[in-house]
Amino acid sequence: EDQVTQSPEALRLQEGESSSLNCSYTVSGLRGLFWYRQDPGKGPEFLFTLYSAGEEKEKERLKATLTKKESFLHITAPKPEDSATYLCAVQATTGSGNTGKLIFGQGTTLQVKP
Amino acid sequence: NAGVTQTPKFQVLKTGQSMTLQCAQDMNHNSMYWYRQDPGMGLRLIYYSASEGTTDKGEVPNGYNVSRLNKREFSLRLESAAPSQTSVYFCASNLASSYEQYFGPGTRLTVT
Repeated sequence: EDQVTQSPEALRLQEGESSSLNCSYTVSGLRGLFWYRQDPGKGPEFLFTLYSAGEEKEKERLKATLTKKESFLHITAPKPEDSATYLCAVQATTGSGNTGKLIFGQGTTLQVKP
Repeated sequence: NAGVTQTPKFQVLKTGQSMTLQCAQDMNHNSMYWYRQDPGMGLRLIYYSASEGTTDKGEVPNGYNVSRLNKREFSLRLESAAPSQTSVYFCASNLASSYEQYFGPGTRLTVT
């Protein structure tokens, strides 16, 4: 069964304290792995797509990496405005064609204190 | 360019009542999706429409129906609401199924 697990569930950092969020996945075949940011009371906001092991993407203080079993979202010198829930999702390949279905993890809630 | 819009933002229903959640996108996307988000459960796919004129069940379709009215609009209907359908509902769309999905602001539904 395709599955996505994110850890930790919650993370509290001091401003400037770098850390990483983990997304472990089990799929029959990976078509793509997506990272989203979700602020309270809002819809998820797209951050990155990764397609193959070894791929990396960066945006401001965020860097996403991918291996064959997991993805990491590295946050360098975070600021209070980086506080949000970060969601990981995978899209699996299927024999009947690409339906676009995403399987989401439960998210990591990040709090950055000034 | 408003992206993905959803109406209403909030709704309270009594058990057994019906309602339709509306979703529209102005990005000329082909595929549209309906998710529900519950604490501890993450986002789960209810129904999706890979292209205009087609709809398919997702992970949790029971108790829901959908209509892909045209390329822009995708509605979700609850025929007889149940307390278990209390949730936050998100609509999403993408250009094609392998691309990133863009989400609307959500509808917070409470069924008493």
